[in-house]
Amino acid sequence: DAKTTQPPSMDCAEGRAANLPCNHSTISGNEYVYWYRQIHSQGPQYIIHGLKNNETNEMASLIITEDRKSSTLILPHATLRDTAVYYCIVRVAGGGSNYKLTFGKGTLLTVNP
Amino acid sequence: NAGVTQTPKFQVLKTGQSMTLQCAQDMNHEYMSWYRQDPGMGLRLIHYSVGAGITDQGEVPNGYNVSRSTTEDFPLRLLSAAPSQTSVYFCASSSFPSYNEQFFGPGTRLTVL
Repeated sequence: DAKTTQPPSMDCAEGRAANLPCNHSTISGNEYVYWYRQIHSQGPQYIIHGLKNNETNEMASLIITEDRKSSTLILPHATLRDTAVYYCIVRVAGGGSNYKLTFGKGTLLTVNP
Repeated sequence: NAGVTQTPKFQVLKTGQSMTLQCAQDMNHEYMSWYRQDPGMGLRLIHYSVGAGITDQGEVPNGYNVSRSTTEDFPLRLLSAAPSQTSVYFCASSSFPSYNEQFFGPGTRLTVL
């Protein structure tokens, strides 16, 4: 799986958009970008994933650059409950031998009132 | 649906004791896995299963055994606990065909004295 690089921490004001960057310059053509988050003391939670097109769901938007070497997770209106560690993971989708999620250290997002 | 459940939530063991961490899911997911999370580190895969009767090792399997006799349950056994196994343990599950979204349980905090 491709290695990812994320800033260790970020701050965001409540109600503003939170933009979390991730670099994955060695990503392969068949690897997807996944985002998970982990609120303190809880299990990780899936947020969104994408291959090369921008994706949006009820939680967030994922913007992937055209060369696919970096991406940004956008929380459009951050709330205090969005304070968590956010993990960017790159892996091949589907089954076979590719079930493993490789978690790095992620980005601690702190949403301030 | 209860999702992924784990018991117990907390456990203290003495070195050399054995115990089983329970994990169950009610989503009929084929894939289940166990991770451990140590302070300041990401999650590391211990064992995984792609269906009843099928298990395989992850990146840190030593000291742990698993079995998968039913689709719903995936217990993790510590045969002879060591202080190095002090950690938070998370169980996860996902389903065919894409396995994109893995659902995590709330975790078990284990301390080995």
